[in-house]
Amino acid sequence: DAKTTQPPSMDCAEGRAANLPCNHSTISGNEYVYWYRQIHSQGPQYIIHGLKNNETNEMASLIITEDRKSSTLILPHATLRDTAVYYCIVEDFKTIFGAGTRLFVKA
Amino acid sequence: GAVVSQHPSWVICKSGTSVKIECRSLDFQATTMFWYRQFPKQSLMLMATSNEGSKATYEQGVEKDKFLINHASLTLSTLTVTSAHPEDSSFYICSASSGTYTDTQYFGPGTRLTVL
Repeated sequence: DAKTTQPPSMDCAEGRAANLPCNHSTISGNEYVYWYRQIHSQGPQYIIHGLKNNETNEMASLIITEDRKSSTLILPHATLRDTAVYYCIVEDFKTIFGAGTRLFVKA
Repeated sequence: GAVVSQHPSWVICKSGTSVKIECRSLDFQATTMFWYRQFPKQSLMLMATSNEGSKATYEQGVEKDKFLINHASLTLSTLTVTSAHPEDSSFYICSASSGTYTDTQYFGPGTRLTVL
């Protein structure tokens, strides 16, 4: 089973920030949190990953709580092209995809 | 960087035939490659993990004699679906990592297999 839980769906207005939460309460000390997204009928796309510190790249920011039991992916200015299923994954001996969060960005 | 390709992007075959899907890492050496299967409106399911030059490790419930995986080089892995049946129709996705299973995976665009 996946080690993460995410809300099944979220809406976001175009141009606003999209904040996608993820719970990973059983995460171990050396396990990374990865985020990927999958646009319909395509392979998943890597977004960002982190261990303890907050991370930012050209696509998104990742905020990890101090106890590392949860994290939030932030898309600062969502566009229609960001509509996708977003997967939060804790890397263990193998990658287990949960159901993810289906993000709808609306005009 | 970190581009992974798959070929073919889609394939239709008759029941009982075998289908080979190629996965290539174009600009990096893939120490580890993964194969996933995705049914409509479902999440990705890991089928197997392969390391270059080694036998693949299959997930529970995945028949290794039916889904043959060859990771012959650091840039190429193949998945052969042998004696395909309609229930094997699915979206097959590969990913590649330059390190171990805990490193970033880069995914291919997927191959849609339809078995008639």
